[in-house]
Amino acid sequence: QVHLVESGGGLVTPGGSLRLSCAASGFTFSDYYMSWIRQAPGKGLEWISYISSSGSYTNYADSVKGRFTTSRDNAKNSLYLQMDSLRAEDTAVYYCARDRTGGYCNGDCSSGFWGQGTLVRVSS
Amino acid sequence: QSVLTQTPSASGTPGQRVTISCSGSYSNVGSYTVSWYQQLPGTAPKLLIYTNNQRPSGVSDRFSGSKSGTSASLAISGLQPEDEADYYCAAWDDSLNGVLFGGGTKLTVL
Repeated sequence: QVHLVESGGGLVTPGGSLRLSCAASGFTFSDYYMSWIRQAPGKGLEWISYISSSGSYTNYADSVKGRFTTSRDNAKNSLYLQMDSLRAEDTAVYYCARDRTGGYCNGDCSSGFWGQGTLVRVSS
Repeated sequence: QSVLTQTPSASGTPGQRVTISCSGSYSNVGSYTVSWYQQLPGTAPKLLIYTNNQRPSGVSDRFSGSKSGTSASLAISGLQPEDEADYYCAAWDDSLNGVLFGGGTKLTVL
């Protein structure tokens, strides 16, 4: 069965950096686009990034563009989110999610599987 | 900036049918498919509906989705206490070049 496990969250001071990881199992990781989605405390879901199955293409929400970098290692079945220049408003639970189907979703996009999330707190 | 608008809250009694709406624009719901997610308290979201009206394996047929123009709806029939959760719609958005989520609807089962 599909299993996604995020790690790397914690408390960081404003301006600091953190690297999240997402370990995937139960499917052919290299076949699927992956996303990072976050949820601030008591708030809704916010898509922040996706990466193509090969890792050659990424895109980001404006709120994190230029500060966050998504990458993947298909040999290690792992997804990463490098977060730099962190701000208080980046405080959230960060989820990694797998596209429902393999390949580019082409407008019929949904996240079929989610990890349990990892909490990132940005505070002095 | 694009938005998907959901009413913040909804409620119903056990056995009732409840509908949750999601309003967007041509750049998202009007041009692409809608998915719905259920988030039970303290847990990760779960895909409930994809491609406007399709249910993943294991999702109860009490849940159904529909879309018309720039709006979409999630209907829950035979409401049960365990349906109390937050529900989010989502669709690809051209402006975002990513997936746009609605603000969420908190469903209370009275």
